[in-house]
Amino acid sequence: SQTIHQWPATLVQPVGSPLSLECTVEGTSNPNLYWYRQAAGRGLQLLFYSVGIGQISSEVPQNLSASRPQDRQFILSSKKLLLSDSGFYLCAWRVRREDTGELFFGEGSRLTVL
Amino acid sequence: EDQVTQSPEALRLQEGESSSLNCSYTVSGLRGLFWYRQDPGKGPEFLFTLYSAGEEKEKERLKATLTKKESFLHITAPKPEDSATYLCAVPPEAGTALIFGKGTTLSVSS
Repeated sequence: SQTIHQWPATLVQPVGSPLSLECTVEGTSNPNLYWYRQAAGRGLQLLFYSVGIGQISSEVPQNLSASRPQDRQFILSSKKLLLSDSGFYLCAWRVRREDTGELFFGEGSRLTVL
Repeated sequence: EDQVTQSPEALRLQEGESSSLNCSYTVSGLRGLFWYRQDPGKGPEFLFTLYSAGEEKEKERLKATLTKKESFLHITAPKPEDSATYLCAVPPEAGTALIFGKGTTLSVSS
């Protein structure tokens, strides 16, 4: 069966510090991968998605970047965090051959920027 | 712009008190409507997919229905363990991700 892992689960970072969140999927090949952010009262906001290694699409201009160095690995990064980057970050995957269909989410990473 | 709106924002029920959650959407050419459950501090858990008007799906005390412009999540005789935030989502007209509503936070007390 397929599983998705995210880490770290929780982190507190000062403003201006770098960020790296990692997501890996097991039990499937060539998945579509997604990064969402969930802020209080704002719902889930799509940040990035990837349909293959090295292929990244950005949905929202911001202080963040994403990379997909391996088929089942998706990384969210920032060089300098802002207070507004605080939130709950969720990685998700979908079977690649499907244009639509359900997304399966990881457990999330809670980021607090102070 | 593709939109998903959920109501109410919050719902408090007594155990056994049935009710419904609403999800309305404006995307045309619907390619599926998805319901998720999210517990505090956790990622959303997939519940149902509905593809056409009139379709219904059931799981335990939950039943999801779909019309041309909205979906309902009916909760029959809820229990405290049904307390969670329920999210609905649709694919945009163009694109591979899902657009989510802000969710309905359900609290069921015994």
